Amino acid sequence: AQSVTQLGSHVSVSEGALVLLRCNYSSSVPPYLFWYVQYPNQGLQLLLKYTSAATLVKGINGFEAEFKKSETSFHLTKPSAHMSDAAEYFCAVSEGENNNDMRFGAGTRLTVKP
Amino acid sequence: KAGVTQTPRYLIKTRGQQVTLSCSPISGHRSVSWYQQTPGQGLQFLFEYFSETQRNKGNFPGRFSGRQFSNSRSEMNVSTLELGDSALYLCASSFAEVTDTQYFGPGTRLTVL
Repeated sequence: AQSVTQLGSHVSVSEGALVLLRCNYSSSVPPYLFWYVQYPNQGLQLLLKYTSAATLVKGINGFEAEFKKSETSFHLTKPSAHMSDAAEYFCAVSEGENNNDMRFGAGTRLTVKP
Repeated sequence: KAGVTQTPRYLIKTRGQQVTLSCSPISGHRSVSWYQQTPGQGLQFLFEYFSETQRNKGNFPGRFSGRQFSNSRSEMNVSTLELGDSALYLCASSFAEVTDTQYFGPGTRLTVL
């Protein structure tokens, strides 16, 4: 079954600094990969998704992620952190029609310091 | 277009009771998935419904069940509640597949005493 591992349960950056949140996946077929953000007391919001088109995926709020098959990674980046980026971020994988469910990583809590 | 709605938003039950949670997907969406979120286990997939049929099921005991109606609204039921069932239960809808963009509801916070 597919799975994801998020490296680092907490990441702290200064405002204006690079954000890098790490995600590695395991899948027996070409995967669909996702990044979601969750603000306190809210549901999840999709940031971006990879569906075997371009390996560099651009999402909302200035985030992007690069699919690297050789490294089985799908790390999320943002060039310049903003205070409003403080939230919990989840990486997720699905095998699509072969296995129509979605598996989430444990999450990474991003703190942005002024 | 209205988002995914979940009712109730908060629920307190005691051990042994049963509970039913409701999810109304975005209009036109036919796939509804349910997830359990806890601090210890994170986000775990419960099951997914499409056109009133359960297409996939996560690794949860039979006490957890669900159904979907012809209008795509979905309910999940937990019988014989245990303390460990305390969690945020999230519902998500998508057009047809989980790989389509999933839109999440705000969740139902269940507390079991």
